[in-house]
Amino acid sequence: AQSVSQHNHHVILSEAASLELGCNYSYGGTVNLFWYVQYPGQHLQLLLKYFSGDPLVKGIKGFEAEFIKSKFSFNLRKPSVQWSDTAEYFCAVNSTSGTYKYIFGTGTRLKVLA
Amino acid sequence: GAVVSQHPSWVICKSGTSVKIECRSLDFQATTMFWYRQFPKQSLMLMATSNEGSKATYEQGVEKDKFLINHASLTLSTLTVTSAHPEDSSFYICSASSGRRAGELFFGEGSRLTVL
Repeated sequence: AQSVSQHNHHVILSEAASLELGCNYSYGGTVNLFWYVQYPGQHLQLLLKYFSGDPLVKGIKGFEAEFIKSKFSFNLRKPSVQWSDTAEYFCAVNSTSGTYKYIFGTGTRLKVLA
Repeated sequence: GAVVSQHPSWVICKSGTSVKIECRSLDFQATTMFWYRQFPKQSLMLMATSNEGSKATYEQGVEKDKFLINHASLTLSTLTVTSAHPEDSSFYICSASSGRRAGELFFGEGSRLTVL
């Protein structure tokens, strides 16, 4: 069955701490991978995406993610978080076959303490 | 980036009534839009794929007659929750692809439905 797992449901960090959010997927075939962010009261926005090529992907606001095919993982990282990074983060996958049908993880709620 | 807008953002209705939610792509044409439902503290669940000019494709377990989807133009898809019940209360989100950035979906602000 196709699924995306995010192991951390709630994360609380102090400003300047490093962040790593886990994402593992189960999906037959080749996939595209995404991280979306939802700030309080706002809609989902794309942080970064991986289609092919360099498995280390850099996104907006200093975020990056690494695709490790052997581990079916696409973990999100940021070296130093800011209070403004407080949000909910969703990992998602879709098939490279051309459909835009996404499978989302359950989300990780990050709170950064000032 | 491409903009997707939903209306209304909030809606409260009585049990048994029907509610329509609109999803518009403001600066691009979308042949396909997607409707998601988000339960509290849970992930987005894909309900259906809305195809312009044809019938929507529903995911397993989603009632077609309960959640009517119409995609009458390249910029508008509507979701109508018919004969709403309290268990239909949820956050409904639509999304669309502009086609300009391969694989990327743009999301609406979401519509929170409360059925009394």
